[in-house]
Amino acid sequence: KAGVTQTPRYLIKTRGQQVTLSCSPISGHRSVSWYQQTPGQGLQFLFEYFSETQRNKGNFPGRFSGRQFSNSRSEMNVSTLELGDSALYLCASSRSGTAGLAGGNEQFFGPGTRLTVL
Amino acid sequence: DAKTTQPPSMDCAEGRAANLPCNHSTISGNEYVYWYRQIHSQGPQYIIHGLKNNETNEMASLIITEDRKSSTLILPHATLRDTAVYYCIVRGYSGSARQLTFGSGTQLTVLP
Repeated sequence: KAGVTQTPRYLIKTRGQQVTLSCSPISGHRSVSWYQQTPGQGLQFLFEYFSETQRNKGNFPGRFSGRQFSNSRSEMNVSTLELGDSALYLCASSRSGTAGLAGGNEQFFGPGTRLTVL
Repeated sequence: DAKTTQPPSMDCAEGRAANLPCNHSTISGNEYVYWYRQIHSQGPQYIIHGLKNNETNEMASLIITEDRKSSTLILPHATLRDTAVYYCIVRGYSGSARQLTFGSGTQLTVLP
């Protein structure tokens, strides 16, 4: 079974630009979460989508947004890029979103997109 | 979600067991213990999770104390490829607690 794929793997942008990152979850997985990883802040949760709806959101400004399509693929968008947005952006998928299930909700991560803002 | 405390770094000789401790003294009854690892610049990799009982899979074993305030991840025969940052995460299943809250983790270095 193919894993989580993310495109592009590397991206260089300049301040003020916007960027769109893409994530394809594991086949059959309906939940997609996004994380940002920086040396200073570590891994931080951005948001989660399930069945095309944003279900949970981390503490990031409104410049960070996302969406999920009917085939569970997800995109995240960052507008008006700042130098501090340089990071590894990770996408993770999980099979279901039903709370209370024992197991079955472990998240599987993609390789990430390395964004550099100049 | 409850907070976790892990040592910042550990070394282990190749072929020996690596025992990574995690303290989660404020864990509540419905919170699971998850372990992930991240090899440099790659996405985190799921290892194992448990609630009360000890768990074992093809990668590792998870030992949870009876009071559930701490746990130990055991890699039975560490190899150089096990060098990574290991994250212990406590997570509930109620409501929207589906995100993983990563701490600083433990940098495990397996030495030849």
